[in-house]
Amino acid sequence: DTTVKQNPRYKLARVGKPVNLICSQTMNHDTMYWYQKKPNQAPKLLLFYYDKILNREADTFEKFQSSRPNNSFCSLYIGSAGLEYSAMYLCASSSGRRTGQLYFGEGSKLTVL
Amino acid sequence: GDSVTQTEGQVALSEEDFLTIHCNYSASGYPALFWYVQYPGEGPQFLFRASRDKEKGSSRGFEATYDKGTTSFHLRKASVQESDSAVYYCALGLQGKLIFGQGTKLSIKP
Repeated sequence: DTTVKQNPRYKLARVGKPVNLICSQTMNHDTMYWYQKKPNQAPKLLLFYYDKILNREADTFEKFQSSRPNNSFCSLYIGSAGLEYSAMYLCASSSGRRTGQLYFGEGSKLTVL
Repeated sequence: GDSVTQTEGQVALSEEDFLTIHCNYSASGYPALFWYVQYPGEGPQFLFRASRDKEKGSSRGFEATYDKGTTSFHLRKASVQESDSAVYYCALGLQGKLIFGQGTKLSIKP
């Protein structure tokens, strides 16, 4: 079963409110990723976990937090949503950091009003 | 910084046409190169990869050849079908990260 699940699929949030997105995978993959996708832009890597080690991209370091309580789950947390956070958030997992073969979920569409 | 450029934002073809989607990259190291495909309502799916110069990757009738000299990894298919309608992403892999291009939306008219 090569499935990555994301919840919620759609999220409506008010400016200034927190947002928590959840991702799960049952493939026992050691690496989990979060990408942000806006229309007409490339998916942008926000952060990834290799096992329990979190790596955040420098330009989004302060905007997103994440936790990985166990191998199967990973969350993406926005403490105070702004309009610029409206996007599709894609979670992915892989076995080993260097294979490049990522398995993506269907995405969580966040709309901030 | 490292980046991927896909020239075409959208491509419209008829069934049995030949497909080319251009992909060029800029990287500080020697990256692996990938193609991913995304169908409506789904997440991107791995199509294939190539890891070294002149290596050809292929899957489902699609193919691309790693060209270090021209820093390119163009996607080709000899005869497209309506079911190939999707968004195609070129990506490079370096230091455990995948960097994607903007994507090319392929529409096939029956």
